[in-house]
Amino acid sequence: EAGVTQFPSHSVIEKGQTVTLRCDPISGHDNLYWYRRVMGKEIKFLLHFVKESKQDESGMPNNRFLAERTGGTYSTLKVQPAELEDSGVYFCASSQLETQYFGPGTRLLVL
Amino acid sequence: GESVGLHLPTLSVQEGDNSIINCAYSNSASDYFIWYKQESGKGPQFIIDIRSNMDKRQGQRVTVLLNKTVKHLSLQIAATQPGDSAVYFCAENQYNAGNMLTFGGGTRLMVKP
Repeated sequence: EAGVTQFPSHSVIEKGQTVTLRCDPISGHDNLYWYRRVMGKEIKFLLHFVKESKQDESGMPNNRFLAERTGGTYSTLKVQPAELEDSGVYFCASSQLETQYFGPGTRLLVL
Repeated sequence: GESVGLHLPTLSVQEGDNSIINCAYSNSASDYFIWYKQESGKGPQFIIDIRSNMDKRQGQRVTVLLNKTVKHLSLQIAATQPGDSAVYFCAENQYNAGNMLTFGGGTRLMVKP
């Protein structure tokens, strides 16, 4: 069974540009989560989808971040416009019950 | 790497010895706890979990202990191997109040051959 996959693995962009991250959860998992770790900080929750619905987006830092999960399968996280402080590693996780399985992450560097 | 700037406590052990990694959690209402292992360039990998109605759970070479009185969680690894070298994170969850995981800062385990 394939695990959680994320694309791209790395992204280097300039401040002000737009970046879209993609996450494909484990097949059949209704729950999909986004987390991130910015430099020097702990892994922090961003938001949680149940199927295509946003269940909890309390961790989204501001309105420059937009997450979607059309059709309840894969999810995208768009950052527009990107700022320097958005640099870090963005993780996606999925679960059917409480155990969350993580993808390898997307390493984002904003210059 | 992605840990630059994040000053992690480090535990260094000899191959074959037992390792104990500790974690203090903050939310007394948390009812589910997980240990993750993260190797360089990879995402957190599930190791073992425990619910708040238990105080000990064993897996293959790993044991998790939960002390709710002092809000403390530990991960014991028996006969530590070089492949166990990684950063270990504890995470807590209040399952029926939302599924978000709250992570600890992590501990780097280094296994000396």
